[in-house]
Amino acid sequence: NAGVMQNPRHLVRRRGQEARLRCSPMKGHSHVYWYRQLPEEGLKFMVYLQKENIIDESGMPKERFSAEFPKEGPSILRIQQVVRGDSAAYFCASSRQGYSGNTIYFGEGSWLTVV
Amino acid sequence: QQPVQSPQAVILREGEDAVINCSSSKALYSVHWYRQKHGEAPVFLMILLKGGEQKGHEKISASFNEKKQQSSLYLTASQLSYSGTYFCGTEREGGGADGLTFGKGTHLIIQP
Repeated sequence: NAGVMQNPRHLVRRRGQEARLRCSPMKGHSHVYWYRQLPEEGLKFMVYLQKENIIDESGMPKERFSAEFPKEGPSILRIQQVVRGDSAAYFCASSRQGYSGNTIYFGEGSWLTVV
Repeated sequence: QQPVQSPQAVILREGEDAVINCSSSKALYSVHWYRQKHGEAPVFLMILLKGGEQKGHEKISASFNEKKQQSSLYLTASQLSYSGTYFCGTEREGGGADGLTFGKGTHLIIQP
């Protein structure tokens, strides 16, 4: 019973390049969340998606960041023209139903380093 | 609105007890507790729903006081494996943006 799978676990990008982070939710889960974590900070909400729909992207920076969760395949968090400040751990989580009153399960994270 | 956790850090000897608090300025529907070890995924501990219930999980239990918009996590007779950073995640009553909002975490160090 695989958990939430994220890849790559570690990614190094030069300033100006693109970063693509992938997330496969747990089996049977159709709700996906992306969070960003900086050292000594909590998990900061970015976006909440269901299959083919963005439910809430209020935590996503308006520029350079986008997310999708297609009908088939993993959810993708895309960061264009990365800058040093994008260096962080990005965690994906999933749930069977919406997060309201339900448990969400986290993946092991993708660590992005921008050099 | 990010919940506030206290204390920021605590160091205990094995077998001692700890309490971690989480408070919000907004009315809450649910509180979720997670533990994260360095470099790993946050691991779900328990969820408490509006209604003031107290839940238990081995020697870890939690309470939720909806009137005070607070939750507390109780660790009894702590074990070395309890070391890590504890996060509370809160869901506002009535929903709204931001999904599940997490505090900055409480670092717990258990010494032998």
